Amino acid sequence: NAGVMQNPRHLVRRRGQEARLRCSPMKGHSHVYWYRQLPEEGLKFMVYLQKENIIDESGMPKERFSAEFPKEGPSILRIQQVVRGDSAAYFCASSPQGLYEQYFGPGTRLTVT
Amino acid sequence: EDKVVQSPLSLVVHEGDTVTLNCSYEVTNFRSLLWYKQEKKAPTFLFMLTSSGIEKKSGRLSSILDKKELFSILNITATQTGDSAVYLCAVLLNAGGTSYGKLTFGQGTILTVHP
Repeated sequence: NAGVMQNPRHLVRRRGQEARLRCSPMKGHSHVYWYRQLPEEGLKFMVYLQKENIIDESGMPKERFSAEFPKEGPSILRIQQVVRGDSAAYFCASSPQGLYEQYFGPGTRLTVT
Repeated sequence: EDKVVQSPLSLVVHEGDTVTLNCSYEVTNFRSLLWYKQEKKAPTFLFMLTSSGIEKKSGRLSSILDKKELFSILNITATQTGDSAVYLCAVLLNAGGTSYGKLTFGQGTILTVHP
């Protein structure tokens, strides 16, 4: 059973470009969470999605950031017009149901130059 | 504001030592407490604790939760160099009634085990 898959593992973008991060949950998991880990800080919740629905986006910046989890395909975290402060590791996690343990992917390390 | 605090922030031991990592929390809508091990990649799930006083064990690792005093400990006995990692404590909050939860993480404890 493959774990949570994320790609790319490393992404370099120039200021003003767009970043698209992908996450495929574990087989049988329909709940996806995105977390961000800034340098020297802990993991912080960004958004929680189920198929075709955003359930909770309370941790996501209101501008430039968006997330989706379509009926087919991976979940996408999209950051428009990236700035240096967006440089971080972005982790995706999935769970079989909402109140179960969450399993994490390897993360995407975004560097904005 | 929900808060999860881990101590110590870093710890250096020698192989064979026993270590105890601490996690205290002040949150609303507590559901469970989880421990993860993070090396240079994905946080790896270790334990999920929901009930007070029941020890969970996996090999040389064990953990227990005290919901009255709002803390948990993670014990590692007979440490090995492969135990070197960041250990993360996270609290799962009931964010949507009984339908879902989201994790609030502590800052982590960096454990270094020397041969």
